[in-house]
Amino acid sequence: EVRLVESGGGLVKPGESLRLSCELFGFPFAPAWLSWVRLAPGKGLEWVGRSKSKSSGGGLDYAPSVKDRFTISRDDSKNTMFLQMNSLKIEDTAVYYCATDPFWPDGDFWGQGTQVIVST
Amino acid sequence: DVVMTQSPLSLPVTLGQPASISCRSSQSLVSNDGNTYLNWFQQRPGHSPRRLIYQVSNRDSGVPDRFSGSGSGTDFTLRISSVEAEDVGFYYCMQGIHWPLFTFGPGTKVSIK
Repeated sequence: EVRLVESGGGLVKPGESLRLSCELFGFPFAPAWLSWVRLAPGKGLEWVGRSKSKSSGGGLDYAPSVKDRFTISRDDSKNTMFLQMNSLKIEDTAVYYCATDPFWPDGDFWGQGTQVIVST
Repeated sequence: DVVMTQSPLSLPVTLGQPASISCRSSQSLVSNDGNTYLNWFQQRPGHSPRRLIYQVSNRDSGVPDRFSGSGSGTDFTLRISSVEAEDVGFYYCMQGIHWPLFTFGPGTKVSIK
């Protein structure tokens, strides 16, 4: 069974940092393309960023709203993708999900989400 | 940047009746490889999102066949042939060709009358 498990969410103040993790179970991690998607209170889904597999060039892409503040990385030996979030803003408050590539024809898998609250 | 719009934004439906959601993109979603990169996602209350349809009309494994997708170019539709109580939630279209890389529509809230 393919599962994605996020962790690392919490309550932080504006300007602080947080690192989220996303571990993949039940499927080879190295070839997986993975994304971060968030759902802010009262808002719709927003794509945050994507990590391609190393064999596909390892490219990283970010939404304009988080570029230069958020960084995606991955540790293939730990089957884990990370989202380093710096200079957090109140508007970054959301549930953060990791998911398989949205156009992967072999399936669609999401984690349970991890809550990030940025508040004074 | 591409802009995705959906209508209606709120859709009250009677159980057992059909429902239809429209999605429009500001640019064609047909890729040079001939594929059209438009997906539909569902997010039910208290659940993670899930993909229902990929590349316009391909239903994901486990998705009931009352859900179907159609369209081409810039205009797309998600249809529910007979709405059930478990279909309550938000529905989003999403494009995967133009920048920003993956752009969701604003979402349509489906509720039961």
